[in-house]
Amino acid sequence: EAQVTQNPRYLITVTGKKLTVTCSQNMNHEYMSWYRQDPGLGLRQIYYSMNVEVTDKGDVPEGYKVSRKEKRNFPLILESPSPNQTSLYFCASSGTAGYGYTFGSGTRLTVV
Amino acid sequence: AQSVTQPDIHITVSEGASLELRCNYSYGATPYLFWYVQSPGQGLQLLLKYFSGDTLVQGIKGFEAEFKRSQSSFNLRKPSVHWSDAAEYFCAVGATAGNNRKLIWGLGTSLAVNP
Repeated sequence: EAQVTQNPRYLITVTGKKLTVTCSQNMNHEYMSWYRQDPGLGLRQIYYSMNVEVTDKGDVPEGYKVSRKEKRNFPLILESPSPNQTSLYFCASSGTAGYGYTFGSGTRLTVV
Repeated sequence: AQSVTQPDIHITVSEGASLELRCNYSYGATPYLFWYVQSPGQGLQLLLKYFSGDTLVQGIKGFEAEFKRSQSSFNLRKPSVHWSDAAEYFCAVGATAGNNRKLIWGLGTSLAVNP
């Protein structure tokens, strides 16, 4: 089944404790992207990648890192999480046509 | 600036009634338009998309949308709503900025379905 898999689904952590949210897709897609969803602000892009070793900032990259060492994986790294990073995070992938992203099920992160 | 507006924050319809969710966009070029649905606790599922061609687009779950360039709109419709359609619906426009192919999202319309 074609899908984007994110882990974990839920995570509660403390301020400053490094964490990684994993994302993997099995569709051989070139484009991958991370979004965060917040009430009243909607979905905003954090980082994107157009292929292996090619990543760049989206609209709200502060406090996040990503890497794209393999085509299928695009982890999101929070080096020192803060409470304002409490959010619902989505990973998404798309083929060369672009835009028609397939989304993962989301990761609900709470930073206390 | 590119933007997407969904004027209705919340809509309630009766099961079996027709549905129309509104979406207006602001984008300089020919837009790529999308509707996604988010069920409680779930991810975002693509309902349908418009890239070019026929302005009436058919999607999954019996949904359709019509692109009207003159009105900058891409409204989602369904002739008969089922209780399982209760969810959050998001309209989005695809925007290109260099190598970035991102989606710009509306804030969503929450749909409740009365039995």
